[in-house]
Amino acid sequence: KAGVTQTPRYLIKTRGQQVTLSCSPISGHRSVSWYQQTPGQGLQFLFEYFSETQRNKGNFPGRFSGRQFSNSRSEMNVSTLELGDSALYLCASSLAGGANNEQFFGPGTRLTVL
Amino acid sequence: GENVEQHPSTLSVQEGDSAVIKCTYSDSASNYFPWYKQELGKRPQLIIDIRSNVGEKKDQRIAVTLNKTAKHFSLHITETQPEDSAVYFCAATPSKNYGNNRLAFGKGNQVVVIP
Repeated sequence: KAGVTQTPRYLIKTRGQQVTLSCSPISGHRSVSWYQQTPGQGLQFLFEYFSETQRNKGNFPGRFSGRQFSNSRSEMNVSTLELGDSALYLCASSLAGGANNEQFFGPGTRLTVL
Repeated sequence: GENVEQHPSTLSVQEGDSAVIKCTYSDSASNYFPWYKQELGKRPQLIIDIRSNVGEKKDQRIAVTLNKTAKHFSLHITETQPEDSAVYFCAATPSKNYGNNRLAFGKGNQVVVIP
């Protein structure tokens, strides 16, 4: 099976712009979670989607949003970019809708905000 | 919310020796504890996990132990090899998030295996 894929892999934006990142889970996986990884804060949970519904949301401002499509692919959007949004954005997919399932990460999208 | 801490932040070991990384968590009702390995420039990879109804789990050279009373869990790597050099992250699922897959991560430990 192909692993989790994310596009694009690298992105450079300027402050005030918006960005959309995409994540395709492992075939058959229905849960997609998003994390932000920075050297200072480590891995922080953004949100999780299952069956096109957001199940949980982390402590990020409303500029961060996401959605999931019927094929389980997910996108996250960041509006009005700030310098502090520069990070590696990782998505992780899980097989089932229950709790505490193994999560498999994608390679990430490296976002740089200038 | 759940707070997960890892110690030490950096660990250097001689090849062939054992490495132990310890994590503590704050939510006594957390029930799932995975460990991820992240090599430089690569994605985090799940290497082992443990659930709260088990005290220890092994997979070849890797083992994880869980002490629910003390609220800590540890990763043990035996017979370390240079390819074990990486950043290791522990995580826990906060109890209020039963029913989903939210993970609270520690800040990571850099393990360096010296040949």
